[in-house]
Amino acid sequence: DTEVTQTPKHLVMGMTNKKSLKCEQHMGHRAMYWYKQKAKKPPELMFVYSYEKLSINESVPSRFSPECPNSSLLNLHLHALQPEDSALYLCASSNSGGVAGELFFGEGSRLTVL
Amino acid sequence: GESVGLHLPTLSVQEGDNSIINCAYSNSASDYFIWYKQESGKGPQFIIDIRSNMDKRQGQRVTVLLNKTVKHLSLQIAATQPGDSAVYFCAENISGGYNKLIFGAGTRLAVHP
Repeated sequence: DTEVTQTPKHLVMGMTNKKSLKCEQHMGHRAMYWYKQKAKKPPELMFVYSYEKLSINESVPSRFSPECPNSSLLNLHLHALQPEDSALYLCASSNSGGVAGELFFGEGSRLTVL
Repeated sequence: GESVGLHLPTLSVQEGDNSIINCAYSNSASDYFIWYKQESGKGPQFIIDIRSNMDKRQGQRVTVLLNKTVKHLSLQIAATQPGDSAVYFCAENISGGYNKLIFGAGTRLAVHP
């Protein structure tokens, strides 16, 4: 199994809503990532979890709250988002043990904030 | 600041021709580079990678060249096919123990029959 699975594929939410994006991998990877991608732009790193601990937060606003319940799961909790937060949110995982390696990406969750 | 950029935003080629996509990076400490392909509505898909102690790596129909002197990376696709049409991103890993992978701006490759 070499997949990173993201749910939901599409999400529409209002600015006062609370929602969550979910990501799951069963490759035994110990590093997981959230990226944000706007249309016609490259993915931008948001968070990196290594061994279930948050290791990198790229100055992301607190209305985005990541959570790593275990080594296979990664969540992104959303609250009080703005329309400009509408984007494709990509989850990835890697087998990093201190050595850089390939990131495996999911298909993304497309978020629309009204 | 740290950045990865591309020379050409769009590349149009004829089917069967070879394609070359270029990328410039600015962080001399980067130790690992990846090329990703992204089709419309999908997540990035790994194509090939190269570490900083190498200058060339070949895969199936693809070759990556790394020139650390001028901080330049290129992806060569042989006998380009319609299925190669996508956006291609180079990405550099900022060394430091974690995979901090930073993506370049991307090049759209359009393959014409």
